[in-house]
Amino acid sequence: DAMVIQNPRYQVTQFGKPVTLSCSQTLNHNVMYWYQQKSSQAPKLLFHYYDKDFNNEADTPDNFQSRRPNTSFCFLDIRSPGLGDAAMYLCATSRDRGQWGQETQYFGPGTRLLVL
Amino acid sequence: KNQVEQSPQSLIILEGKNCTLQCNYTVSPFSNLRWYKQDTGRGPVSLTIMTFSENTKSNGRYTATLDADTKQSSLHITASQLSDSASYICVVSGSGGSYIPTFGRGTSLIVHP
Repeated sequence: DAMVIQNPRYQVTQFGKPVTLSCSQTLNHNVMYWYQQKSSQAPKLLFHYYDKDFNNEADTPDNFQSRRPNTSFCFLDIRSPGLGDAAMYLCATSRDRGQWGQETQYFGPGTRLLVL
Repeated sequence: KNQVEQSPQSLIILEGKNCTLQCNYTVSPFSNLRWYKQDTGRGPVSLTIMTFSENTKSNGRYTATLDADTKQSSLHITASQLSDSASYICVVSGSGGSYIPTFGRGTSLIVHP
């Protein structure tokens, strides 16, 4: 009964070679988030969509882009991966934004990216 | 700047023992605090959520406490099991207009048989 699905679970790419990670959800949630998590660190929010409204975090590098073609799917594009981009990428959803963060985020299993 | 600090960074205990994980935060004004469990190679899963007026909340063998005055929370695990081995992340949301929560780095718990 997976609710937030991420593909692939493991991705190996070459330095500078574009890569796309995908996330899909069966919850019909309005909000989808992309986080980057490096070893022993807290997840770092890259950006999120509220419906079709894209919200980029100020310190997210231009190298990272996202697309949300419909409610169910959201993609993370890394245009030119560097060695420092190797990390776990987590997708999450929430029903709504919630005025005070009371909306629960549901996380996918993550995609572990390795850059050679 | 909103911050969430967790301690210890890592913890090793024997199966069957109890343990307590700590979370201190500076998020203000405060809205709610969640504890997530993240198994290795998996996404975080919510264990508990606590609002300003709640002091204690339990979920099976997990009990979370909150002291909103001192801005501290703890997660107590009773009678630990091998499956409790995971990272436990404290996440705090504010009510100051941003609905984006602040994550702690997590405490890595290893339960040995």
